Amino acid sequence: EAQVTQNPRYLITVTGKKLTVTCSQNMNHEYMSWYRQDPGLGLRQIYYSMNVEVTDKGDVPEGYKVSRKEKRNFPLILESPSPNQTSLYFCASSFPSLQGNTEAFFGQGTRLTVV
Amino acid sequence: AQSVTQLGSHVSVSEGALVLLRCNYSSSVPPYLFWYVQYPNQGLQLLLKYTTGATLVKGINGFEAEFKKSETSFHLTKPSAHMSDAAEYFCAAEDTGGFKTIFGAGTRLFVKA
Repeated sequence: EAQVTQNPRYLITVTGKKLTVTCSQNMNHEYMSWYRQDPGLGLRQIYYSMNVEVTDKGDVPEGYKVSRKEKRNFPLILESPSPNQTSLYFCASSFPSLQGNTEAFFGQGTRLTVV
Repeated sequence: AQSVTQLGSHVSVSEGALVLLRCNYSSSVPPYLFWYVQYPNQGLQLLLKYTTGATLVKGINGFEAEFKKSETSFHLTKPSAHMSDAAEYFCAAEDTGGFKTIFGAGTRLFVKA
């Protein structure tokens, strides 16, 4: 089954404690992206990756890091989480075509609370 | 910079009534446009997508959207609402030739019996 898998689904952590949210896709998609969803703001892109070892900042990259060492995995790293990073996070993947990206497949989301 | 505006954070309709969710984009070059739906505690799933060609796009679950370049709009419609349509809907725009997708703030659709 084609899917994007995020882990964990729920996470409560303390300020400053490094954490990683994993994302894995089984569709051989080249393009992957991380978003955060906040009430009234929709989804905002944090980072995206066009392929292995190729990443770029989205609209809200501050406080986050990513890596793309393998095509299927795109982890999101919070080196020193702060309360303003409390949010719902989504990973997505898609396959670029001549007509833009094809349908984006989203993970189930990770609800992060930083206290 | 590209932006996507969804008019109305909440829309309420009666079952069987027309659904109209509004989306406007700001770009001198028409982007690729998407509508996604999000059910509670789930990720987003694609409803429909406009790239080029026919301006009326049909999607899943009876939804359709019309791209109007002159109005920079991509409104989502469904002739007859069903209780199962209650969800949050997001309009998104992707720059042609790029990889950045901008989402609107979302519109929560309520369907009354």
